[in-house]
Amino acid sequence: KQEVTQIPAALSVPEGENLVLNCSFTDSAIYNLQWFRQDPGKGLTSLLLIQSSQREQTSGRLNASLDKSSGRSTLYIAASQPGDSATYLCAVTDQTGANNLFFGTGTRLTVIP
Amino acid sequence: NAGVTQTPKFRVLKTGQSMTLLCAQDMNHEYMYWYRQDPGMGLRLIHYSVGEGTTAKGEVPDGYNVSRLKKQNFLLGLESAAPSQTSVYFCASSYSMTPGANVLTFGAGSRLTVL
Repeated sequence: KQEVTQIPAALSVPEGENLVLNCSFTDSAIYNLQWFRQDPGKGLTSLLLIQSSQREQTSGRLNASLDKSSGRSTLYIAASQPGDSATYLCAVTDQTGANNLFFGTGTRLTVIP
Repeated sequence: NAGVTQTPKFRVLKTGQSMTLLCAQDMNHEYMYWYRQDPGMGLRLIHYSVGEGTTAKGEVPDGYNVSRLKKQNFLLGLESAAPSQTSVYFCASSYSMTPGANVLTFGAGSRLTVL
């Protein structure tokens, strides 16, 4: 069964700092990997989707990379802002047939003004 | 454009009571999903639907039933609530389940407490 791990569980950084969030998964037979943002009391918002054949995706200050063979992905946030404070979740779509998303437990990011 | 709307947002039940969570989407999406989110665990799929009138089991279906009588609505039912079903429930929908095109739109969540 696919397992997705995100370390650290929580991270605090001063405003303006660049940061990296990590995601690892146990089964490399995936279709894609997605990064989501979750604000307190809110649903999830999709940030980036990387296909298994891709190495990275960029959107604004966000850059996500994927190393499928090693089972790792990183989300790089440049020039962090207080508005980036949220929980960031990664999820992989497996190839078992149901196209189910397997989620990590998330990294709670706090950007200090 | 409301997206995905879940009702109710909060509910407290006693053990053994029944209830239904409603999910409605206005994006004409074929696919709809119910997840639960528990502390220290990632979101887990309960049930999903690939179209009106169809449902399928996800990773943790026991104790739940679902129905998709209309394309825009996906109902999650608890027939006899148990404390282990205390959780935050999220509904999501997508245009496609095709790998690579399965970008999900999530509702804001429904927090359920079973005493």
